[in-house]
Amino acid sequence: DADVTQTPRNRITKTGKRIMLECSQTKGHDRMYWYRQDPGLGLRLIYYSFDVKDINKGEISDGYSVSRQAQAKFSLSLESAIPNQTALYFCATSGGAKNIQYFGAGTRLSVL
Amino acid sequence: GEDVEQSLFLSVREGDSSVINCTYTDSSSTYLYWYKQEPGAGLQLLTYIFSNMDMKQDQRLTVLLNKKDKHLSLRIADTQTGDSAIYFCAESPTNFGNEKLTFGTGTRLTIIP
Repeated sequence: DADVTQTPRNRITKTGKRIMLECSQTKGHDRMYWYRQDPGLGLRLIYYSFDVKDINKGEISDGYSVSRQAQAKFSLSLESAIPNQTALYFCATSGGAKNIQYFGAGTRLSVL
Repeated sequence: GEDVEQSLFLSVREGDSSVINCTYTDSSSTYLYWYKQEPGAGLQLLTYIFSNMDMKQDQRLTVLLNKKDKHLSLRIADTQTGDSAIYFCAESPTNFGNEKLTFGTGTRLTIIP
C-alpha cells in the first residue's frame, strides 16, 4: 500500500462547485503539504501544516482552504471551483532533519 | 523569496550521459534535492546533497554542487529509456521551523533511441 494516498485520482467538476481532495499518510510524519503542478510552472505550495494544530498559507492559497483532521489526514477544499484551478494536485509529507518529502500519486482536477 | 530555475527540456541519446542543471537564489539552503516524476505518478526522491558537500555519487547518478555560484547539477550516466521523466530540483532552507521546499519548474528528459 502507498505511504501517501490521495483520493480521488481524477475529478471533473463544474465552475462554482465545492470539492474536497483528501490525503492520508501512514508514514507517521507531522508535516503535510498541498502543492499544485502546472506545465512549465513546477510545483507551487498551496498550504502546509507542521502539526495538527498548525496551518499555514503557501504562495498560492487564494481560493483554497485546508483541514488537518488528524496527524495522518490533510484535506484540500476548493470552495467555489473556477477553470484556472484545473491542475494536478499533490499531497506530500515530511519528517526528520533532512526534510525529505514523500508524495502521493496526485489528483488530476478539471474544472469546466 | 527563494527561486529555483531549470531548463524545461533536455533530449539525450540512449547510452549517453544526461546533465540536468539547476540554479537557486537562497544562500542559506541546507539540503538540495533531485526528484523524478514519471508519467501519471507523484514525485519520487532520487538523491539529495547537504550544502557542505561538493559532490555525491550514487550508482549512475552524480550530483555536483557549486555553492559559490548557487548551481546544482545531476548527471545520469548511460542514460536509458526508463530515465525518461521530469526531473525537479528543490532546496530547503536552514532555519529550523521553516521546512518548506522550493521546487524548480522541472526538466523534461527525453531519450532518443
